[in-house]
Amino acid sequence: AQSVTQLGSHVSVSEGALVLLRCNYSSSVPPYLFWYVQYPNQGLQLLLKYTTGATLVKGINGFEAEFKKSETSFHLTKPSAHMSDAAEYFCAVSRMEYGNKLVFGAGTILRVKS
Amino acid sequence: EAGVAQSPRYKIIEKRQSVAFWCNPISGHATLYWYQQILGQGPKLLIQFQNNGVVDDSQLPKDRFSAERLKGVDSTLKIQPAKLEDSAVYLCASSALDYSTDTQYFGPGTRLTVL
Repeated sequence: AQSVTQLGSHVSVSEGALVLLRCNYSSSVPPYLFWYVQYPNQGLQLLLKYTTGATLVKGINGFEAEFKKSETSFHLTKPSAHMSDAAEYFCAVSRMEYGNKLVFGAGTILRVKS
Repeated sequence: EAGVAQSPRYKIIEKRQSVAFWCNPISGHATLYWYQQILGQGPKLLIQFQNNGVVDDSQLPKDRFSAERLKGVDSTLKIQPAKLEDSAVYLCASSALDYSTDTQYFGPGTRLTVL
């Protein structure tokens, strides 16, 4: 079975500071990995995904994530936080062997201070 | 292109009442998903359709929840009777195919409050 752990339900950074949101997965085989963002009263929007190939994945809005198989991690980073980045972020995994469905972590709320 | 549409956006009912949610996926998307998102948790898949057939409903509480996808396009999710623990946001998503690498596109959700 697959599971996703997001360390820190709340993260607070200053505007312009580095954003680091942590995600670790548990799977018997390396899964496909996703980061979604959810703004208040809106649905989830895909930020980026890793399927195969280059382990450093670039997404929208300046975010990127690196797949590290040895650490079973897929942490999300952004060099400089902007006020508009304040939202809830979800890490998710999927794998064909598990029916292609997305399994989500509990989410991390990012707060950006001015 | 138009996104995933859901209605209503908000619904308040009393326990033991019934409620229905509607979803219209992105045009041409074969796969449709219903998720339940309880406050403080990530979305949990309830049911997945491929065209108008059910692919996965293993986490759907079938004694009270039902869903259908008419003609492989629109879908409705029904709860009857509702319980307090059904209070959540119900998200609909769609994807073009049924691959584990596919991007799922989410609607804005329906926030259900059961009193």
